[in-house]
Amino acid sequence: AQSVTQLDSQVPVFEEAPVELRCNYSSSVSVYLFWYVQYPNQGLQLLLKYLSGSTLVKGINGFEAEFNKSQTSFHLRKPSVHISDTAEYFCAVTPDNYGQNFVFGPGTRLSVLP
Amino acid sequence: IAGITQAPTSQILAAGRRMTLRCTQDMRHNAMYWYRQDLGLGLRLIHYSNTAGTTGKGEVPDGYSVSRANTDDFPLTLASAVPSQTSVYFCASSDLPSMGGYTFGSGTRLTVV
Repeated sequence: AQSVTQLDSQVPVFEEAPVELRCNYSSSVSVYLFWYVQYPNQGLQLLLKYLSGSTLVKGINGFEAEFNKSQTSFHLRKPSVHISDTAEYFCAVTPDNYGQNFVFGPGTRLSVLP
Repeated sequence: IAGITQAPTSQILAAGRRMTLRCTQDMRHNAMYWYRQDLGLGLRLIHYSNTAGTTGKGEVPDGYSVSRANTDDFPLTLASAVPSQTSVYFCASSDLPSMGGYTFGSGTRLTVV
């Protein structure tokens, strides 16, 4: 079985500062990794995903994430955040691409302060 | 605009009552899912359906039932609501294999009193 840990439940950061949201996973098999964003009163939207190939993946809205197999991590980064990035961010893993096997982390609330 | 429609947006329900949350998609996705979202727990899968006519249990299926009579609709029923079912419920859909490409609805906020 897989599990996902997001160590930071809340991350406050000032506008235009860089941010890193941490995600660690545990799995006995290879996994695919994802980051989703949830804006207030909305459903989740896919930010980016790692399926194979380059370990640095770029997503929408200037976000990127790096897959580190040895550290079982998939941290999300953005060099300069905007007020509009305030949202909840979820890391998710799956050993395959069948939806019933996705495991979501508990989420990290990013608050961008003016 | 293609996507998922969930209804109602919010509901206050007396314990013991029956409730059906509606979900309709117009993308002809094979698979559909129901999640509940609770603070600090992330999203947990309740039930899923990989194709019309089939359903499966997720991580937290107890107290819930689903049906998939056609491709577009995937209603979630609480037969006899209890306060622990107070949550935000999200319906989602995807192709199979999903490649992470879920489309989520905007959610139903359910309060059981």
